[in-house]
Amino acid sequence: AQKITQTQPGMFVQEKEAVTLDCTYDTSDPSYGLFWYKQPSSGEMIFLIYQGSYDQQNATEGRYSLNFQKARKSANLVISASQLGDSAMYFCAMREGPTYKYIFGTGTRLKVLA
Amino acid sequence: GAGVSQSPSNKVTEKGKDVELRCDPISGHTALYWYRQSLGQGLEFLIYFQGNSAPDKSGLPSDRFSAERTGGSVSTLTIQRTQQEDSAVYLCASSLRLGTAEETQYFGPGTRLLVL
Repeated sequence: AQKITQTQPGMFVQEKEAVTLDCTYDTSDPSYGLFWYKQPSSGEMIFLIYQGSYDQQNATEGRYSLNFQKARKSANLVISASQLGDSAMYFCAMREGPTYKYIFGTGTRLKVLA
Repeated sequence: GAGVSQSPSNKVTEKGKDVELRCDPISGHTALYWYRQSLGQGLEFLIYFQGNSAPDKSGLPSDRFSAERTGGSVSTLTIQRTQQEDSAVYLCASSLRLGTAEETQYFGPGTRLLVL
C-alpha cells in the first residue's frame, strides 16, 4: 500500500490565484512528520513547510499553508497568490515513527499560467 | 559553504565500473541522508547517518551499494560494478539533527549518474 499518495500528476493555475495540491498518507504510528518540497526544473529540492503530527495548528510559511486534517490523513498544500516562479514539481513526504526515513509521494507538476 | 554540496554534478561511466559520489553537508548538521531519483519518479530513500553511524542500511538497493561518513561531515556513496539501472540522480540531504522540526532536510543539487 502506498504510504504517501499524491493523486494529481499535473495541475494548472492562473497567476495570482490560489491552488491546493493534495496529499494523503497512511500510517499507524501516532508520531510522524509531514513535509512539502518543491523541485524546479533545475533539480534542487527546496523545503517549503513542515507539519508535526502533534501540532495543533496548521503550519504556515509565507504564501504556503498546510491544510492538515489528521482524521482524514490528509496534508494538502495551499499556495496563495500563485506566481510564475511557482511552476515546479511538488513532493509530499512523511517521516514515520521512530525511523528517520522519508517516504516521498510521486509528485504533482504545477504549471502557473500568465 | 552555506548549503549542501555534492560532487561530481554529472558522472558518466561504463557498466561494471565503480563510482564514488560525495556529499558535503551543511556545517553543524549531524544527520545526513542519501536518496535516489530515477527519471520522472519520486525519491527513493537509501540510507541515513546520525553522526558517523548508519543504523539502518536496508534501503540500499543491493550489496553493490555502500556508504560511509567520516568525521561527522563528508559522506561518500559508492556503487560497485555499476549497472544501467543505477542511472539516476543521487541526492544528498542534511538536517540539524533527528527529531521534530529540526529534522527538516536540506538537499544538495544532486549527482546525475549515467551508466552506459
